[in-house]
Amino acid sequence: SQQGEEDPQALSIQEGENATMNCSYKTSINNLQWYRQNSGRGLVHLILIRSNEREKHSGRLRVTLDTSKKSSSLLITASRAADTASYFCATDGFFGAQKLVFGQGTRLTINP
Amino acid sequence: NAGVTQTPKFQVLKTGQSMTLQCAQDMNHEYMSWYRQDPGMGLRLIHYSVGAGITDQGEVPNGYNVSRSTTEDFPLRLLSAAPSQTSVYFCASSLLTREQETQYFGPGTRLLVL
Repeated sequence: SQQGEEDPQALSIQEGENATMNCSYKTSINNLQWYRQNSGRGLVHLILIRSNEREKHSGRLRVTLDTSKKSSSLLITASRAADTASYFCATDGFFGAQKLVFGQGTRLTINP
Repeated sequence: NAGVTQTPKFQVLKTGQSMTLQCAQDMNHEYMSWYRQDPGMGLRLIHYSVGAGITDQGEVPNGYNVSRSTTEDFPLRLLSAAPSQTSVYFCASSLLTREQETQYFGPGTRLLVL
């Protein structure tokens, strides 16, 4: 069973706009990670947020975590064509610290 | 560093055939794992290893075997392939700590079982 669920499943925006993706999970977690997957490629780690953190930034990425609502959001500001990819949240806690459980992902398309 | 490498990139099997998917990492990571990704889905954990000689099952282990004889290598074996095992397989590695660590993924092996 999937621990994380992303919303929306697909998102299409114009270049330069901001993109927001949401992730909800079911059980208590210690950490939550976001990964990016370009078409046909492996996953690339974007950012990790720990359960005692509420917000974290990395370049144009902003991640929030609300453990009371069991949800997280990923904001990409000033989107670029190169941001076109699928984005996945992954949580621990269900099987253990390293054994990540992934959501189904959000497919993001940036239109030029 | 090559990171995490996987071979082959693509494989076609007939039902009942066996094969081994290779995974290697050169980062001296203790933790290695195998995931499968089905169309429109996230990754599901098949098997994992916390060090040489130690393996355990993940969420979807049936039909797969693993072994870990060295720190670097973590092969995944399909003993008798079934069409339900058509998927993209990803190997990942990370440091093994009490905290969650960044996982480094290989490029994937696309498997088609006819």
